[in-house]
Formats: sequence, C-alpha cells, structure tokens
Amino acid sequence: KAGVTQTPRYLIKTRGQQVTLSCSPISGHRSVSWYQQTPGQGLQFLFEYFSETQRNKGNFPGRFSGRQFSNSRSEMNVSTLELGDSALYLCASSSGGSHSYEQYFGPGTRLTVT
Amino acid sequence: DQQVKQNSPSLSVQEGRISILNCDYTNSMFDYFLWYKKYPAEGPTFLISISSIKDKNEDGRFTVFLNKSAKHLSLHIVPSQPGDSAVYFCAASSGLGFGNEKLTFGTGTRLTIIP
Repeated sequence: KAGVTQTPRYLIKTRGQQVTLSCSPISGHRSVSWYQQTPGQGLQFLFEYFSETQRNKGNFPGRFSGRQFSNSRSEMNVSTLELGDSALYLCASSSGGSHSYEQYFGPGTRLTVT
Repeated sequence: DQQVKQNSPSLSVQEGRISILNCDYTNSMFDYFLWYKKYPAEGPTFLISISSIKDKNEDGRFTVFLNKSAKHLSLHIVPSQPGDSAVYFCAASSGLGFGNEKLTFGTGTRLTIIP
C-alpha cells in the first residue's frame, strides 16, 4: 500500500506571496492532519479534515487554511507569507474512525520564505 | 504552554546498551500516548503507543512505560543499534473516542548510538 505523499517537496517563496501544498493520504484513510515543524518547536498542529470537513483546528492565524476533496486528498494554503512561515509542513493520514490515534506521516514540504 | 515536554534535547548511548527516552505531560485529559521516530528529510514514523489504561506496552526491542500519577512516560530501546540514531518525538492525544483527535507533540530528543 502506498504511503502518504506530499507535493512539492521543496518550495521557495517571497514574503507576501501565497502558497498551496498538496497531500495524498494512504488509500482508504479518510482523515488528514497538517502540522508545522520549526527548529525548537516540535510539531505544531494546524488542522484536521475528515470527510471534507474541518474537524479540529490548532492555534494558527487565518492565513493558514485547508480543504479536503471527496477522494480524501487535501490541500493547505498559506496567504500573505511571512518569514516566520519558513518550516517543514507535514501531512499525516489515519483511518479517522473511533480510537484511530495512529497517524502516518508523509515526507513533508520544506517551505522557505525569503 | 508546552503540554508535552521532552527535557533532554539529545542523548548518546553505546551500541548494545539500553536507551531511555523520557517525556512528561501536564494535561490530565490525555488518554493515549505515542512515540514517533524521525530521520532527516523524512516524515515521522510511528513506533509504539500506549493507552492510559495500561502501564506498559512492548514491541520487540521497544517498550513504553506510562506512570499516570507522575504524568510521565518513557521509551526503552534494548539493545540499541546504530539504525536507532534519529530524533524521537513523544505525542499525546485526548481522543475521547470521537475519532482522530489532534496529536500534541514534544520538541523531540535526538538519540545518537555510538558504535
């Protein structure tokens, strides 16, 4: 079974621009979560989607948004990029059912904002 | 407000010896705990987990211990192997049985196994 895939793997943008990251979950998984990893901060939860609905949200500004499609693929968008948005963005999928705590991560998208 | 803390940013252990990674949490609503391992340029890989109704879970060389009264968990790796060198993240969830809840991660411990 193929793992979680994320595109692109690397991205360089300038301040003020916007960016869209894509995630394809493991086949059959209906839940997709997004995390931001920065040095010294660990992984910070952004949001989780299940059946095209945002089910959980972390403490990030409204510039960070996402969506999920009917095939469970998900996209994350960041508008008006700031230097502090430079990070590794990780997507994780799980079955999304009751007590499905284990999440399986993709390789991440490394975003650099200059 | 760091609800999951890994106070040791790094740890070095001789090959063949036991590696012990520690994690503390503050939120008493957490009821499920996980350990992830991360190599550079890869996403975290799920390693082992434990429910709050247990105090120990074992999988091969990996054992996780949970002390609910102390709000502390630890990951034991025995024997340690060079391929275990990676960053280890502790994570916790207050799933409440409703489905996939968010995971709260610690900041990670970099484990280096010395040959």
